Amino acid sequence: DTAVSQTPKYLVTQMGNDKSIKCEQNLGHDTMYWYKQDSKKFLKIMFSYNNKELIINETVPNRFSPKSPDKAHLNLHINSLELGDSAVYFCASSQDRGQGKETQYFGPGTRLLVL
Amino acid sequence: GNSVTQMEGPVTLSEEAFLTINCTYTATGYPSLFWYVQYPGEGLQLLLKATKADDKGSNKGFEATYRKETTSFHLEKGSVQVSDSAVYFCARMNTGFQKLVFGTGTRLLVSP
Repeated sequence: DTAVSQTPKYLVTQMGNDKSIKCEQNLGHDTMYWYKQDSKKFLKIMFSYNNKELIINETVPNRFSPKSPDKAHLNLHINSLELGDSAVYFCASSQDRGQGKETQYFGPGTRLLVL
Repeated sequence: GNSVTQMEGPVTLSEEAFLTINCTYTATGYPSLFWYVQYPGEGLQLLLKATKADDKGSNKGFEATYRKETTSFHLEKGSVQVSDSAVYFCARMNTGFQKLVFGTGTRLLVSP
């Protein structure tokens, strides 16, 4: 069973389109994340949700809107896609015990290419 | 500021060579430290972690020791294999927060 899954795995789209990436975790965790990995492999957090509540929102354009319908899902919707949005987007989850030690488990990534 | 610095790659080694990938961090307080590995075309997997000073994380022959005095968490392996070829990320997480801050990653290439 896949612990953290993402769909789609690959996404090729035109500039200006709106697209969504879905993430689901079956680990029973209460915190989920979105990270972006650019072409140089640099990884940076975008958002974090705890029990469906937004707790981390890094400096991300407001074209990116995360949505958490329940604890097991965190989706990422992107409006008006731009060339610079091309990247690999990773979802992750962890159990938050408020200590900042917990391991985050990552999904396989969604490779987004904007043409 | 809070950051993680890793040695630039690629690191190219022959099979059975000794591996060191350097990682240093700056942070307030005492962060937890992690090494993640990304195999070609895959997501990140936790390799090992340490949550307090002098702790040693170990897994699959890899080791890293949390050194507070040098603010370092260098990754080592005594004898690398071709299958270890991947990108290795050092990361820190400050106490009380769940935000992972990653280094830039170091690509390891192991040849037979």
